[in-house]
Amino acid sequence: DQQVKQNSPSLSVQEGRISILNCDYTNSMFDYFLWYKKYPAEGPTFLISISSIKDKNEDGRFTVFLNKSAKHLSLHIVPSQPGDSAVYFCAAIFQGGSEKLVFGKGTKLTVNP
Amino acid sequence: GAVVSQHPSRVICKSGTSVKIECRSLDFQATTMFWYRQFPKKSLMLMATSNEGSKATYEQGVEKDKFLINHASLTLSTLTVTSAHPEDSSFYICSARGQRFGNTEAFFGQGTRLTVV
Repeated sequence: DQQVKQNSPSLSVQEGRISILNCDYTNSMFDYFLWYKKYPAEGPTFLISISSIKDKNEDGRFTVFLNKSAKHLSLHIVPSQPGDSAVYFCAAIFQGGSEKLVFGKGTKLTVNP
Repeated sequence: GAVVSQHPSRVICKSGTSVKIECRSLDFQATTMFWYRQFPKKSLMLMATSNEGSKATYEQGVEKDKFLINHASLTLSTLTVTSAHPEDSSFYICSARGQRFGNTEAFFGQGTRLTVV
């Protein structure tokens, strides 16, 4: 049972445009969500997170939106840069439970110059 | 963000030998460390969770006698792949979480590419 789903395995965007990466979850107990960026043969790098008490968190070019009723979150990157090309993982956690990060399968973003 | 160092970054070993991978939190005390395995074109699979000073909790399907985890201090956890076989070849990644960062964000090491020949 996949509790965190990233339904788009890949996304291609033109440099300067907006990249929108989507993530859906099924477990309503999740109360904290994180986005990680991963280059090949490297460990994931933390990007941005959001608590379930918020619906938006912004950090520079990165904004994460959370829609609890739809159990959906998205990562917006504006403007997209070629260096943003990587695999992006959405992760969720239930802080009052096992506290294990549950990852989606990732979305490979390609930003074309 | 915090710094988590994983060593070695890549290792090649002969079938039947054991390999140890180290994960260190360099600028914070990691009360909890996690070990992941990434299969090609797939997500990160959590193998086990370890808390300093106690036995690791393994996920279902992960052989605890094969993947030995030791979290002897607040800054070091080790994963030993015992009697390695070619099917153990994979990308292993550790992550650490500590009080300094509200115990929520987990920071990752750079990963270890294990090849068993």
